[in-house]
Amino acid sequence: EVQLVQSGAEVKKPGESLKISCKGSGYSFPIYWIGWVRQKPGKGLEWMGIIFPGDSDTRYSPSFQGQVTISADRSISTAYLQWSSLKASDTAMYYCARRSPNSSSWYFDYWGQGTLVTVSS
Amino acid sequence: EIVLTQSPGTLSLSPGERATLSCRASQSVSSYLAWYQQKPGQAPRLLIYGASSRATGIPDRFSGSGSGTDFTLTISRLEPEDFAVYYCQQYGSSPRTFGQGTKVEIK
Repeated sequence: EVQLVQSGAEVKKPGESLKISCKGSGYSFPIYWIGWVRQKPGKGLEWMGIIFPGDSDTRYSPSFQGQVTISADRSISTAYLQWSSLKASDTAMYYCARRSPNSSSWYFDYWGQGTLVTVSS
Repeated sequence: EIVLTQSPGTLSLSPGERATLSCRASQSVSSYLAWYQQKPGQAPRLLIYGASSRATGIPDRFSGSGSGTDFTLTISRLEPEDFAVYYCQQYGSSPRTFGQGTKVEIK
């Protein structure tokens, strides 16, 4: 069974750093792209970026380029999303999701349960 | 960046009724469109990909159609568990983008 299990909720202050994780199981982690999606409270979904764990090829949506860093450690089947200096506007639910294996198919077939990040002074 | 506009924002229907949701792209995405369902407190779930192919385990009351810039998600007969928010997502070009969502609520 394919599963993506994300790290727990975080409460941080503005300016602090943070790294959240997403552990895949039930499939060959290195050969499937893993993406990150933001959902602000009461709002819609935003595509942040995506990484291929096999070689760490990473693509960012322009809105998120330079704002976050996506990485992966294939040896422990885990992808990461990190911030160097959080802002209050980063408060949101963050989902990781697996890209479908079908060619030309940049949509997500499995999702993690989400990690709630709250940034408040 | 391709903008996806979903309509209506909210659809108020009764169980057993037919739901028709629209997603319009600002430029052609061919058939590279997916639909997701999201219930409160849950992660999104893939319903439709390639504009009209149902994902694994999705009931056949869900169907998708369209190509180019105009797409439709139809739920033939609403079940109680179908009341949720639905998002379209295009993957015809980068950056991939989502629509703002349509909420299907109980009338």
